[in-house]
Amino acid sequence: SAVISQKPSRDICQRGTSLTIQCQVDSQVTMMFWYRQQPGQSLTLIATANQGSEATYESGFVIDKFPISRPNLTFSTLTVSNMSPEDSSIYLCSVRGSQETQYFGPGTRLLVL
Amino acid sequence: KNQVEQSPQSLIILEGKNCTLQCNYTVSPFSNLRWYKQDTGRGPVSLTIMTFSENTKSNGRYTATLDADTKQSSLHITASQLSDSASYICVVKSGGSYIPTFGRGTSLIVHP
Repeated sequence: SAVISQKPSRDICQRGTSLTIQCQVDSQVTMMFWYRQQPGQSLTLIATANQGSEATYESGFVIDKFPISRPNLTFSTLTVSNMSPEDSSIYLCSVRGSQETQYFGPGTRLLVL
Repeated sequence: KNQVEQSPQSLIILEGKNCTLQCNYTVSPFSNLRWYKQDTGRGPVSLTIMTFSENTKSNGRYTATLDADTKQSSLHITASQLSDSASYICVVKSGGSYIPTFGRGTSLIVHP
């Protein structure tokens, strides 16, 4: 199994500002995943972060809006840039373990005013 | 397009009662299906995983079933407890992609 921590756990931000979310894993992993969970919606994959290369973004998500860093095999950050109220959501960090089990962090609850 | 539909959207039951949550999917080719439990303020945690050849799998009071022919799965919770109050998410993995498809979840509330 993997233990994942995220910071901050929640934040309230003003529109137009940016927030960087940190994700720390207790073991080395090749891929780290960033998801968004909007109220009443399913988890949506934003991007896959690989150490030593640029992140791979899913359709509808771009690097300018959601820049990602992956400096080593246990850490990643996701920045939500130039925020608007539509960015209010839960952002989850995830890694994959054995049998393709996905382990998730506790999430970061973001409210944009 | 791969899709996972869950029903009901929400459910309220009394403590000690049983309940069944449903999941229909159109993911192809099918690889595996998982049920996750997500407590409020926490990330999802895997309850069960089922592959094509498995019909039933249990994890304590949780029993998942899979009918690969009709592309349906259910999660049965026996003798519910207050701690079962959570969102239950059905997730289906395609053999052709490393990205699974998530359902919207069923929100379960267990009342004393």
